[in-house]
Amino acid sequence: EAGVAQSPRYKIIEKRQSVAFWCNPISGHATLYWYQQILGQGPKLLIQFQNNGVVDDSQLPKDRFSAERLKGVDSTLKIQPAKLEDSAVYLCASSQGAGAGYEQYFGPGTRLTVT
Amino acid sequence: AQSVTQLDSHVSVSEGTPVLLRCNYSSSYSPSLFWYVQHPNKGLQLLLKYTSAATLVKGINGFEAEFKKSETSFHLTKPSAHMSDAAEYFCVVTSDSNYQLIWGAGTKLIIKP
Repeated sequence: EAGVAQSPRYKIIEKRQSVAFWCNPISGHATLYWYQQILGQGPKLLIQFQNNGVVDDSQLPKDRFSAERLKGVDSTLKIQPAKLEDSAVYLCASSQGAGAGYEQYFGPGTRLTVT
Repeated sequence: AQSVTQLDSHVSVSEGTPVLLRCNYSSSYSPSLFWYVQHPNKGLQLLLKYTSAATLVKGINGFEAEFKKSETSFHLTKPSAHMSDAAEYFCVVTSDSNYQLIWGAGTKLIIKP
């Protein structure tokens, strides 16, 4: 079974530029998550999708971050414009469903450096 | 509100000696608890989970954790450390309201040869 795929693995941009990350979840997984992991901290949930609908985006900085999962499969996360404090690893995870009994499977992450 | 506290940011042990990574949680109800491991430049992997069955939970790679409600703890242990265990370990609790994962800050495990 293929795991969660993410690209690119690394990205370096200057502040005020735009960037997009892509995630392809495990086949058949209805729930998709985007997390932000700042160095030295645990992951922080940015947005959760159930199929192509948003379940929770309460911690997504909507003035600069956006995410979509149009066909309920792969997803993109965009930052526009980027700030220095956006430097982090962006993790995508997927699960068969939402709830305590469903394991989340994580991709390798995209390491973003904003200079 | 739920929270997780990992009591040590770094733990250093010699290869072949026991490992203890400490985790305390707060939760209003019976929580689900997890330990995840993150090796450098790799994705997070589930080590083990507690979901109100047996209080001693066995995971992959010889790790286990014991749920102690009276102490609100979920410490991770391994009898004998291996060099390949060097990684960052995260203790996680599920939110009572929406089952989202609430993460500790992580403990970096260093294995000395």
